[in-house]
Amino acid sequence: QVQLQESGPGLVKPSETLSLTCTVSGGSISNYYWNWIRQSPGKGLEWIGNIFYSGIINYNASLKSRVTISVDTSKNQFSLNLRSVSAADTAMYYCARALFSYDVLVFDNWGQGTLVTVSS
Amino acid sequence: SSELTQDPAVSVALGQTVRITCQGDSLRGSFAIWYQQKPGQAPVLVISGKNTRPSGIPDRFSGSSSGYTASLTISGAQAEDEADYYCKSRDSSGSRLVFGGGTKLTVL
Repeated sequence: QVQLQESGPGLVKPSETLSLTCTVSGGSISNYYWNWIRQSPGKGLEWIGNIFYSGIINYNASLKSRVTISVDTSKNQFSLNLRSVSAADTAMYYCARALFSYDVLVFDNWGQGTLVTVSS
Repeated sequence: SSELTQDPAVSVALGQTVRITCQGDSLRGSFAIWYQQKPGQAPVLVISGKNTRPSGIPDRFSGSSSGYTASLTISGAQAEDEADYYCKSRDSSGSRLVFGGGTKLTVL
């Protein structure tokens, strides 16, 4: 059973860069889309973006100017960088694996999430 | 604002049937995917593409769609079904994903 684990600082200062890594264990990073999703406290889910193992990337248009997602297949990891953060970026950040089910991407495996607080 | 619209809250009596809906332009011609999220936990996939159920999801959960509306139906709701439910689809560009705002289900 594949497992995903987010890691990174739990506290980031305003205007700095939020950096998270998701480590995939129990399975290969190949042939899947790898996603970042966040959830602000008490709010709904927001898709940040994804990367196919080959490097094809899609971003949420509202975050595109600040986000970079990358993949390291040799380490079975993928990463999120979110630049110029503010308090509005305080959220639980999840990584998730996605595959196509008919014509739609479904998130079939999720990490447990990591809470990132933006504060000075 | 989300391109997929869900009612913020729905309630159902124990053992009764409840329908949670999701509306949006992108749903015409495409399937909605449904996730269940319990407090303090990561979301779980409950309805997959073409309204299929992943392994391990009880058969009281079903999905359907008509026009611009997708529905998640729980037939005979149980106490453990109390959770937030989110639909997901593609946005109008077709290459990006979007969640509905979520529906909080209370089982009375």
